[in-house]
Amino acid sequence: GAGVSQTPSNKVTEKGKYVELRCDPISGHTALYWYRQSLGQGPEFLIYFQGTGAADDSGLPNDRFFAVRPEGSVSTLKIQRTERGDSAVYLCASSPSLAGGELFFGEGSRLTVL
Amino acid sequence: DAKTTQPNSMESNEEEPVHLPCNHSTISGTDYIHWYRQLPSQGPEYVIHGLTSNVNNRMASLAIAEDRKSSTLILHRATLRDAAVYYCILRNGNYGGSQGNLIFGKGTKLSVKP
Repeated sequence: GAGVSQTPSNKVTEKGKYVELRCDPISGHTALYWYRQSLGQGPEFLIYFQGTGAADDSGLPNDRFFAVRPEGSVSTLKIQRTERGDSAVYLCASSPSLAGGELFFGEGSRLTVL
Repeated sequence: DAKTTQPNSMESNEEEPVHLPCNHSTISGTDYIHWYRQLPSQGPEYVIHGLTSNVNNRMASLAIAEDRKSSTLILHRATLRDAAVYYCILRNGNYGGSQGNLIFGKGTKLSVKP
């Protein structure tokens, strides 16, 4: 079956621009997670959703970052006024529920801010 | 958050067993021990998890110390495809609120020599 799908796989943008990254979780998975990963570092937690609501957004670095999951399936991570320091791989994962179980990760969206 | 300590890197020979250690001296009674691995240019992949008893699956074995302050991931016969960064993560069994996410460290980079 299909795994977690992330688009685009690569995005190059200019400083100050707005960017949207999309995540299609595994069908039926209620929990969805966003992480970002800089070179040589482990994934850094950003936010996770249970259904449509953000259960924990404490990892979002500032108010330029926002994520939505309006219908409890697809999620979009939105970054306003991008900065060069936002360059990273943004990873999405889904899980059948918050009640334990493994997370299934996508291959990530690589964002480069020039 | 409970923290884990892992060596930065390890080397192994192909077809030999590999023992990847993890220290988690501040583990709480409700923390599960999770292992994920990340192959180059891919998202993390679930390997195994456990609470108190040793666990086996098709990928690996997890040996948990009696006091639960350390654990070891065992790959019984390393292959070149096992070369990856291995992350040991504590995940609270009370999955609501801010406890449902996984907090990654830097992990152990495993190199496998032919």
